[in-house]
Amino acid sequence: DIQMTQSPSSLSASLGDRVTITCQASQDISNYLNWYQQKSGKAPKLLIYDASKLDTGVPSRFSGSGSGTHFTFTISSLQPEDFATYYCQQSQHNDDLPSYTFGQGTKLEI
Amino acid sequence: EVQLVQSRTEVKKSGESLKISCKGSGYTFSIYWIGWVRQMPGKGLEWMGIIYPDASVIRYSPSFQGQVTISADKSTSTAYLQWNSLKASDTAMYYCVLTKTYGSGTWFDPWGQGTLVTVSS
Repeated sequence: DIQMTQSPSSLSASLGDRVTITCQASQDISNYLNWYQQKSGKAPKLLIYDASKLDTGVPSRFSGSGSGTHFTFTISSLQPEDFATYYCQQSQHNDDLPSYTFGQGTKLEI
Repeated sequence: EVQLVQSRTEVKKSGESLKISCKGSGYTFSIYWIGWVRQMPGKGLEWMGIIYPDASVIRYSPSFQGQVTISADKSTSTAYLQWNSLKASDTAMYYCVLTKTYGSGTWFDPWGQGTLVTVSS
C-alpha cells in the first residue's frame, strides 16, 4: 500500500500569511495527488486534482505542485474562510486494486 | 447541479444490521463510479471502496474487505453501504463520493453531506 505522510499536522497562521503544506508519498505516484478542504462539521471539498489543477470555482490563491513522491499545497494570502483542515490524497492505482490513500490532515488555525 | 444526497443519521446497537444510502442527481448515474469514505470521530479520512453504477465491479480497501458491503441500484440512482453486524468501532461519519477519473488520475467530487452512524454497546 502507498502511504502518504502529510506535514505539519497543525499550523497556526494569520490573515494574509502565505502557508505551505507538504505531502510525501512512499513511492512514485507521478502527479496523481489531490487536495481537499474540510471545514468544521462539513463534508470535504475538492480544491486541486492531479497535483496542480484547480477545481472549477476554486480561488487562485490556492495552488499545488510536485510530482513523484513530494508535493506541496500553498495558500498565497490567507483569508478568513481558509481556516480548515486540509488533506492530500493519492490515486495511483491499477484497475484491479484501487487504493486512494489520504494523508493524516493539516489543521490550519488562526 | 450534481448532487449526492445521503440518508439520515442512524443510532444503532452492537450486533444490529444497517444499510445507508446515497442518491445521485443532476448527472447520468451510469457514468461515474461511486465511493465511500469513513471519518471516525476527530480523525482523518479513510477510503473504503468503490462501485461501478451497474454494480458489475466493486472494489474494497483491504481494511474494509469483509467488514461492509457496497451495492448500487442503477434504476434509482442510489448506492448503498451495508453492515450485517455493527460494532461500536463502526461509529463514524460516512461520506459517499462521486469518483471521477481522467487518464490515470482519480478524484472525489462532489461529496455527499455525510451520514452519521452511532453504535452503542
